Amino acid sequence: AQKITQTQPGMFVQEKEAVTLDCTYDTSDQSYGLFWYKQPSSGEMIFLIYQGSYDEQNATEGRYSLNFQKARKSANLVISASQLGDSAMYFCAMRDNNQGGKLIFGQGTELSVKP
Amino acid sequence: NAGVMQNPRHLVRRRGQEARLRCSPMKGHSHVYWYRQLPEEGLKFMVYLQKENIIDESGMPKERFSAEFPKEGPSILRIQQVVRGDSAAYFCASSPETGYTGELFFGEGSRLTVL
Repeated sequence: AQKITQTQPGMFVQEKEAVTLDCTYDTSDQSYGLFWYKQPSSGEMIFLIYQGSYDEQNATEGRYSLNFQKARKSANLVISASQLGDSAMYFCAMRDNNQGGKLIFGQGTELSVKP
Repeated sequence: NAGVMQNPRHLVRRRGQEARLRCSPMKGHSHVYWYRQLPEEGLKFMVYLQKENIIDESGMPKERFSAEFPKEGPSILRIQQVVRGDSAAYFCASSPETGYTGELFFGEGSRLTVL
């Protein structure tokens, strides 16, 4: 069965510094996708970044990068140059491509950026 | 607005009443997913539907909950005889086609409060 684990309930980071949010996953499939979403206090779910299991390069989107370590089954999100607006809940999610389109989400990490 | 549309955004029901939540997927999308988010928790998958077809309902409670996605009109998540534990945010997401491996596109959620 698929499982996503985020072990950091809350994280603090100083403005302009980088922060890493941890995510580990468990699956027996070879073809899968990993996703990060941001949920600000307003509640909407904002897609940030995607990594496919066969992608050899780590995904990057602006200040976001995904540190993909396949052997360790980890998919950590790195946010560089943190901004106050980055304060939010962050969710890691996974899709097993052989098991349909649904995403399975982790418990989330609440990030607070300090001025 | 071509995004995923959910309504109502906020719904208040008394115990024992029925709640109906509606979701119109993004234009061109034929797959809909419903998730529930309890306070301070992550998103829990409920059901995955295509037009006129339930693909995966492994996350749906066995009683009181049902979902449909008719040929015409929005997807409906129906909760009968609501209880206080049903108070949550219900998110709908959509994707374009079978075999799609990209991100899900989320609506802004419907927040149900049961008094």
